[in-house]
Amino acid sequence: DAGITQSPRYKITETGRQVTLMCHQTWSHSYMFWYRQDLGHGLRLIYYSAAADITDKGEVPDGYVVSRSKTENFPLTLESATRSQTSVYFCASSDGYSPRPQHFGDGTRLSIL
Amino acid sequence: TQLLEQSPQFLSIQEGENLTVYCNSSSVFSSLQWYRQEPGEGPVLLVTVVTGGEVKKLKRLTFQFGDARKDSSLHITAAQPGDTGLYLCAGEEMEYGNKLVFGAGTILRVKS
Repeated sequence: DAGITQSPRYKITETGRQVTLMCHQTWSHSYMFWYRQDLGHGLRLIYYSAAADITDKGEVPDGYVVSRSKTENFPLTLESATRSQTSVYFCASSDGYSPRPQHFGDGTRLSIL
Repeated sequence: TQLLEQSPQFLSIQEGENLTVYCNSSSVFSSLQWYRQEPGEGPVLLVTVVTGGEVKKLKRLTFQFGDARKDSSLHITAAQPGDTGLYLCAGEEMEYGNKLVFGAGTILRVKS
């Protein structure tokens, strides 16, 4: 089925560990985004990508790394997880034509102990 | 980064009541999008408004984009329990292309 899928849906890990969140979309959208959602802050942009091999920082990029070797995949890596990175992470995609509504995955709930 | 202030943060009303959610900014946006999010799911687009002064209706929901494209409102007529959820407004930045700035959201609870 066409859509955007995130994995895993839930993850528990410890501080200092590396963790990678996966995002896959089947629409061939050029743009992909990673957000974190925290109570009181809404959705905050971590990183985004305009095309394969093109990525840029968003509002809260520190402690995160992204890559985009293929159009359909946009993994997010926490290199050394900290408790402040406990959050719900959403991946989204959109095409390149304004206005560009974004299509969201169902999120990954990440807990860092 | 442009800011988008959304109010109120929380609304609890009885079925049949009307309500309005506001999104305000000092910045101009290319478009203003409204999303609805349910627990355990990602936001889902409700509507996009592009032209200053534009009004769009989606059944009992009415969306308006301010004349100067700096603000927007969502009005729900005769709210129903099925309207319960988190409503998010998002402005498309003019300069940086395709990035959305989200408001903090309005949690709506409609009691039967």
